[in-house]
Amino acid sequence: DSGVTQTPKHLITATGQRVTLRCSPRSGDLSVYWYQQSLDQGLQFLIQYYNGEERAKGNILERFSAQQFPDLHSELNLSSLELGDSALYFCASSGGGLRITDTQYFGPGTRLTVL
Amino acid sequence: GDSVTQMEGPVTLSEEAFLTINCTYTATGYPSLFWYVQYPGEGLQLLLKATKADDKGSNKGFEATYRKETTSFHLEKGSVQVSDSAVYFCALSLGRSNDYKLSFGAGTTVTVRA
Repeated sequence: DSGVTQTPKHLITATGQRVTLRCSPRSGDLSVYWYQQSLDQGLQFLIQYYNGEERAKGNILERFSAQQFPDLHSELNLSSLELGDSALYFCASSGGGLRITDTQYFGPGTRLTVL
Repeated sequence: GDSVTQMEGPVTLSEEAFLTINCTYTATGYPSLFWYVQYPGEGLQLLLKATKADDKGSNKGFEATYRKETTSFHLEKGSVQVSDSAVYFCALSLGRSNDYKLSFGAGTTVTVRA
């Protein structure tokens, strides 16, 4: 158990809909990262937050947005869903400092299926 | 851009066989290098890491050495077990411009048969 929790575990929805994925980082971790794992794209970085502020953006679509709240949990919002958005979405967290040596601890993921 | 290339799988081995998974990277700075493992139905777990050239990361019998001259971080284990069946990901992080994201390779599926 990494200490990172993600809900829900599975999500099935229809095209055009909007969903929210939730992540709670490990106790004391200030950084939260979101990654998407799909068969065709592999594991791709989406976005990073540090102590409530956006720090870095990767290949995140404009239909997707995220935020980190004062209690440090984070939410990833996916809207106008398309079939191609079906994937496993991981959240990871890392420690209080910003060092490249910091280990990122991954949650179990949310599997999104868009029908 | 920064990227990681790892050997394609799947790899199928017998128990007690030697495992090696090749990983090379391209980066403009001095990255930290990681191996993550994903067991069936689970999230990613850090297996080992190395933060500078010639560092050796090790854990659970797995080892990898950061080779700057060959830009490589190959994963090895001398005697695999059925429980090592998983997908293995090589990754790097540069920490440039406050960007600490992990860039992953495509993953290598390893199956160990009893």
